[in-house]
Amino acid sequence: NAGVTQTPKFQVLKTGQSMTLQCAQDMNHEYMSWYRQDPGMGLRLIHYSVGAGITDQGEVPNGYNVSRSTTEDFPLRLLSAAPSQTSVYFCASRGRGDTQYFGPGTRLTVL
Amino acid sequence: AQSVSQHNHHVILSEAASLELGCNYSYGGTVNLFWYVQYPGQHLQLLLKYFSGDPLVKGIKGFEAEFIKSKFSFNLRKPSVQWSDTAEYFCAVIHAGKSTFGDGTTLTVKP
Repeated sequence: NAGVTQTPKFQVLKTGQSMTLQCAQDMNHEYMSWYRQDPGMGLRLIHYSVGAGITDQGEVPNGYNVSRSTTEDFPLRLLSAAPSQTSVYFCASRGRGDTQYFGPGTRLTVL
Repeated sequence: AQSVSQHNHHVILSEAASLELGCNYSYGGTVNLFWYVQYPGQHLQLLLKYFSGDPLVKGIKGFEAEFIKSKFSFNLRKPSVQWSDTAEYFCAVIHAGKSTFGDGTTLTVKP
């Protein structure tokens, strides 16, 4: 039981490049979320999903896309990276109303 | 707007001092409440949670929190902190299926 896994751990992009942050969980959780963590701003919800095929926007969705084709996977796509997207990204999953389990994070730098 | 507020951004204590970190939320109705801890360089881990029942909940490592519904508060306490408690602490609320985190409180414990 690996819990929540994220890849890559570190990434450097140039402005305008695109990439996908991968997230997978093996706990059969319905809910999955993406957060970004910036100094002094806590964790801000980017997008979340309440089940396969269902996604919704969080607090800061602009510049990010998600999809949820399976229960296990919840990739986050940056279509055209900007320096403002430099951050640490955490994926999390949970059962209904329950504790969130976080992945190890992806540290992204956009030059 | 619905929100989660943590009043202290940075708290500095000496070992053996008592700790109380404030958390207030602005949601009406039923909420699930959480405190998470993030040690330096690590991802978030659950300290404790409240869903219903006894409003005083005990978590790991000697932490406890009290849910006061009339005050919309869920403050975290520890009678005697240790150097190893140095970390960032996040209060979180799940309401209507959506999770929201406070901005976090950085706790520094001096040996």
